[in-house]
This record gives sequence, C-alpha cells and structure tokens, in this order.
Amino acid sequence: DTAVSQTPKYLVTQMGNDKSIKCEQNLGHDTMYWYKQDSKKFLKIMFSYNNKELIINETVPNRFSPKSPDKAHLNLHINSLELGDSAVYFCASSQGTISTGELFFGEGSRLTVL
Amino acid sequence: SQQGEEDPQALSIQEGENATMNCSYKTSINNLQWYRQNSGRGLVHLILIRSNEREKHSGRLRVTLDTSKKSSSLLITASRAADTASYFCATDANSGGSQGNLIFGKGTKLSVKP
Repeated sequence: DTAVSQTPKYLVTQMGNDKSIKCEQNLGHDTMYWYKQDSKKFLKIMFSYNNKELIINETVPNRFSPKSPDKAHLNLHINSLELGDSAVYFCASSQGTISTGELFFGEGSRLTVL
Repeated sequence: SQQGEEDPQALSIQEGENATMNCSYKTSINNLQWYRQNSGRGLVHLILIRSNEREKHSGRLRVTLDTSKKSSSLLITASRAADTASYFCATDANSGGSQGNLIFGKGTKLSVKP
C-alpha cells in the first residue's frame, strides 16, 4: 500500500544507453513531479505534471522525456545517458498545486552511469 | 536558482538536547515547508507554515517564520537518535522565475548521538 512507488530502486548502466524509471501514486493526487538529487544532496525539480499535462519543465536536457499516461503515473525516460546523469531521482505527488500543501515522495531511484 | 539555504550544514548533538536549524530564502513566498530525509530514503514532510503565520508546532517540532528577514527556523526538542537525518527547507515562491516550484535548500545533516 505504498503511496508513491518508483521502480527500479537501483539502476547501473553504461554511457550512451537509454533507460526508464517508472512512478505510480495511489493517493488520488492531481500533480506529480520528478526531482533530481545530486551527490551533494541538492534537490532540484525537473518536471511537474498536473492531470497528465506538463506544467513545469525546468532547464533539463531534452534527453530527458517525462510521460504521463494517466494522472496516477509519471514515467521518466532518459536517452543517451551521460556520466553527469548519475544521481538519485525522486518522484513525488501532491493534491492540487504546490501552494496547497505537502509533497509525498517515493523512495528514490539511484542511477549510476559508468 | 536555489531559493533556500540551510544553516548549519551539519549538526551533531547528544540525545536529549535541542537541535535548531535555520533556513534563509531570497524571494517572497506563499509558504515554507520542512522535510526530513533519512539516509537512502525519500523525503518526508514535517510541517508547513504559511507566509501569514509566525510560529507553528507539531509534537517536538517548532517552526518559526520571519518574512521580514526571509528566514525560518526548525527546532527539535528533546532529540532522539531516531531524529538523525538530513533536514530540508523548501519554499513556494509567489513571484519570479521560481513561481509554482517548490525549491529546496541544501539541507542540514543532523546527527544525534545516544
């Protein structure tokens, strides 16, 4: 009965490969997010979707493509992986917009690019 | 651009002592939130304080907000070893390029020794 679940939890891959991380929330929330946390623990928003519509798209390389098939799912696909993509990626969700309340985070997906 | 900045970066205390963490931010906000992150886990929401509130309590947590100084503090009283974690403040800017985003600081790493 996990609220926000991400898979896989760990991902080790070679440079140049393409990989996907999946996220699902069972909270009935309208908004979902992807955040990237670097090795210094700095957390930065990448994308935000509200009811399957993209509402925030920060300055992220276009190798990163989010896809929201329905409001309970927000997947992240990364093409042509680079060393600098190594990080922990967190999916999160909220009811309504950020101004209305808290974010619920998944446990993170640690991506290591070799 | 980074909105919140926590201080200190790391804090080590004995069980039973109080822990105070500070957060400063740059632009005007709708609300400020504090999150906890245990090692290797996702972020967990602790408390939200709105821009028109000055103080809020939740169990052993006390949060203050001074919008004139653009700062907030998180006080954990009677700390326990289980409080060992990183603590992040996050702001919801109501203007500027960060509007609609929840911007996280770099966090304070708290270590509570038994």
